[in-house]
Amino acid sequence: QKEVEQDPGPLSVPEGAIVSLNCTYSNSAFQYFMWYRQYSRKGPELLMYTYSSGNKEDGRFTAQVDKSSKYISLFIRDSQPSDSATYLCAFMDTGRRALTFGSGTRLQVQP
Amino acid sequence: GAVVSQHPSWVICKSGTSVKIECRSLDFQATTMFWYRQFPKQSLMLMATSNEGSKATYEQGVEKDKFLINHASLTLSTLTVTSAHPEDSSFYICSASRGQTQETQYFGPGTRLLVL
Repeated sequence: QKEVEQDPGPLSVPEGAIVSLNCTYSNSAFQYFMWYRQYSRKGPELLMYTYSSGNKEDGRFTAQVDKSSKYISLFIRDSQPSDSATYLCAFMDTGRRALTFGSGTRLQVQP
Repeated sequence: GAVVSQHPSWVICKSGTSVKIECRSLDFQATTMFWYRQFPKQSLMLMATSNEGSKATYEQGVEKDKFLINHASLTLSTLTVTSAHPEDSSFYICSASRGQTQETQYFGPGTRLLVL
């Protein structure tokens, strides 16, 4: 079983739609949960990070963590064509101090 | 704030030559820097972690004699791919962390390496 599972997509939605991106993980040692956005041929950009179960909101983005189910989500409201990118979930356990990434979900928002 | 730069952004070299990639934190001091490699349509894979002034810690399967990492200052880390081969062609990305807890890493724009 992979440590992190993430649907690669591509996920295509119309502009204005609500987007739901998800990752599951198996490592109970993961303590920090992050979402990064990566445009083609660019480095990842941190969108959200959290360390507890529950929801965290930042503008159009909401990160959700369910530690009991080992499941994290990123919701994007009112999606825009500029949101078209690959979204990577990332995890860190404090003991190892390095990020473990999901494979990324490619999102396309159609105007 | 928290800007990380990489140089060069892309490089083409002949097989057998060495290539150096620089990673700089422009507006903060990076206690730790990380080097990742990303193949097309795949996720980032950690290669090594480096702390300023000490030897880098390499991930299992990464040859430390082939991928030389130097973290000489709190704002600069370099990755040298020695005797590069076509299979080393990839997208190399660095990240830097400024906090003690290291929960946030800021990524550079990446360097695309093509070995002919």
